[in-house]
Amino acid sequence: EAQVTQNPRYLITVTGKKLTVTCSQNMNHEYMSWYRQDPGLGLRQIYYSMNVEVTDKGDVPEGYKVSRKEKRNFPLILESPSPNQTSLYFCASSLGGSGGNEQFFGPGTRLTVL
Amino acid sequence: QKEVEQDPGPLSVPEGAIVSLNCTYSNSAFQYFMWYRQYSRKGPELLMYTYSSGNKEDGRFTAQVDKSSKYISLFIRDSQPSDSATYLCAIGEYGNKLVFGAGTILRVKS
Repeated sequence: EAQVTQNPRYLITVTGKKLTVTCSQNMNHEYMSWYRQDPGLGLRQIYYSMNVEVTDKGDVPEGYKVSRKEKRNFPLILESPSPNQTSLYFCASSLGGSGGNEQFFGPGTRLTVL
Repeated sequence: QKEVEQDPGPLSVPEGAIVSLNCTYSNSAFQYFMWYRQYSRKGPELLMYTYSSGNKEDGRFTAQVDKSSKYISLFIRDSQPSDSATYLCAIGEYGNKLVFGAGTILRVKS
């Protein structure tokens, strides 16, 4: 089954404790992206990647890091989480380029930072 | 001014009603237009995708784009309780970046 998977689905942590949210897709998509979703603000892009080893900032990159060492994986790293990073996070992927812009989303990770 | 504006609702309608969901945008460079549906505790799923002005129909759903007015709509005919969800418009320029509306919460009452 073609899908985007994220782990963990739920996470409660404390301020300053480094964490990683994993994202994996099995569709051989070139483009991957991370979003956060907050009430009234919709989905805002954090980082995106056009291909392996190619990443760039989205609209709200502060406090986040990403890497793209393999085509299928795009982990999101919070090196020192703060309470304002409490949010619902989504990973998405698409074929990219002229192959198509439709983005397919993972199930989401609900993060609470105390 | 946000690049994409969407009425957050909630919009509450009786079963069988025609629903109209709308977004406006400010950037005339936007090239493609999507509607996503998001159920509670789930990720957004793509409903409709179009490049051009005009209407595109898929079953009970019709996406309408008016580039001259920078206005897009999603119509749902014969709405069902299972249509109750948050609907997100997403608009993009060439190159994969999407800008999302804040989402409209729809409730269809049986």
